[in-house]
Amino acid sequence: QVQLVQSGAEVKKPGASVNISCKASGYTFSDYFIHWVRQAPGQGLEWMGWINPDTGITKYAEKFQGRVSMTRDTSISTAHMALSRLRSDDTAVYYCAKDRVYSLDLWGQGTLVTVSS
Amino acid sequence: NFMLTQPHSVSESPGKTVTIACTRSSGRIASNYVQWYQQRPGSAPTIVIYEDNQRPSGVPDRFSGSIDSSSNSASLTISGLKTEDEADYYCQSYDSSWVFGGGTKLTVL
Repeated sequence: QVQLVQSGAEVKKPGASVNISCKASGYTFSDYFIHWVRQAPGQGLEWMGWINPDTGITKYAEKFQGRVSMTRDTSISTAHMALSRLRSDDTAVYYCAKDRVYSLDLWGQGTLVTVSS
Repeated sequence: NFMLTQPHSVSESPGKTVTIACTRSSGRIASNYVQWYQQRPGSAPTIVIYEDNQRPSGVPDRFSGSIDSSSNSASLTISGLKTEDEADYYCQSYDSSWVFGGGTKLTVL
């Protein structure tokens, strides 16, 4: 079926990096942008950026410029999001989501990243 | 960039109708489509309205969306409230970047 399956929970120390994967199935991966959205505990949704799986072109939210990198591997229909120089306030659930054109119609299950010393 | 402002919480009784507003701080609300997402506790968001007023298949027609250029806002209306509608609701739009509203907690009591 159509789904996005993300990698498992991560625990990182401040200053480290995290890499989360998002595997698509049930549709043509290259046809739809993938967005990354995070949600800190008890907080709202925060948009981080998108990647065009066909071209690899990315757009990042200004807040994350220089710390985030979104890539894709079309051979395995997987998108990746790496966030570096982690801080405690990066503790959040990170979601990937498929863009049906200006709306996110399919979400991954979420990946909890905990940043703690 | 602009902001989308939502009420923190709303509550209403089962069977009633509730409307959640989403006000755009700058730029015209009609310039870019508005979407609405429902998020139940412990789950990923799901889309309930796209392109201002379109319902994805599987979303009950109790859910409707609209925009009001005079108040520069979008609204999500849920009629015939059910306890299962209790969730957080987020509006979303875009221009050069994507923006989510802060979310509204709907309590059905």
